[in-house]
Amino acid sequence: GIQVEQSPPDLILQEGANSTLRCNFSDSVNNLQWFHQNPWGQLINLFYIPSGTKQNGRLSATTVATERYSLLYISSSQTTDSGVYFCAAGYNQGGKLIFGQGTELSVKP
Amino acid sequence: GAVVSQHPSWVICKSGTSVKIECRSLDFQATTMFWYRQFPKQSLMLMATSNEGSKATYEQGVEKDKFLINHASLTLSTLTVTSAHPEDSSFYICSARDPKRAPLAGELFFGEGSRLTVL
Repeated sequence: GIQVEQSPPDLILQEGANSTLRCNFSDSVNNLQWFHQNPWGQLINLFYIPSGTKQNGRLSATTVATERYSLLYISSSQTTDSGVYFCAAGYNQGGKLIFGQGTELSVKP
Repeated sequence: GAVVSQHPSWVICKSGTSVKIECRSLDFQATTMFWYRQFPKQSLMLMATSNEGSKATYEQGVEKDKFLINHASLTLSTLTVTSAHPEDSSFYICSARDPKRAPLAGELFFGEGSRLTVL
């Protein structure tokens, strides 16, 4: 099955800094998503991005499916960005998603 | 996005009892739902795929007789933890897709999660 690896596992930033989170996957995928898990455990959908580049405010993501990686960019970080970021990948659009281990982000004021 | 709702949000039970968690798709129909489990400081692990009108598909290592899944309608899947023990204490999260959200039909949405504590 698919193996999903995220890096770095932990990241501490000063408010206002930029960061890049990486997600590598072991196989060709047709489904990739980025999530932010808030302190209450709720998974917030950030991007559905099997390929290409998308932007939403201070966040953007790029997936290069042929090279089996995806990147999540956070610009001008805020303390409310703190939490765990997960990427998850799947073989097809209707199937299951396999999660990476997450990146725990802490943004300091 | 599509709305998935779980109930209860948290539950405490005694060892040996059974607990049922409900997962509903509120504004769409879902023939398939996915159940995940998350232990503290860990990632989400897929437990099973719930299929409307047929048997669930369990991931390797997940006991199907312990974690009973019923997907009796297009908007409701239930997970029953039978004879719960303290090691079953975890955060259980369900998810589903809205097939009508093309071209984003592949996007998976998650419920709020259900935190189970077994005493």
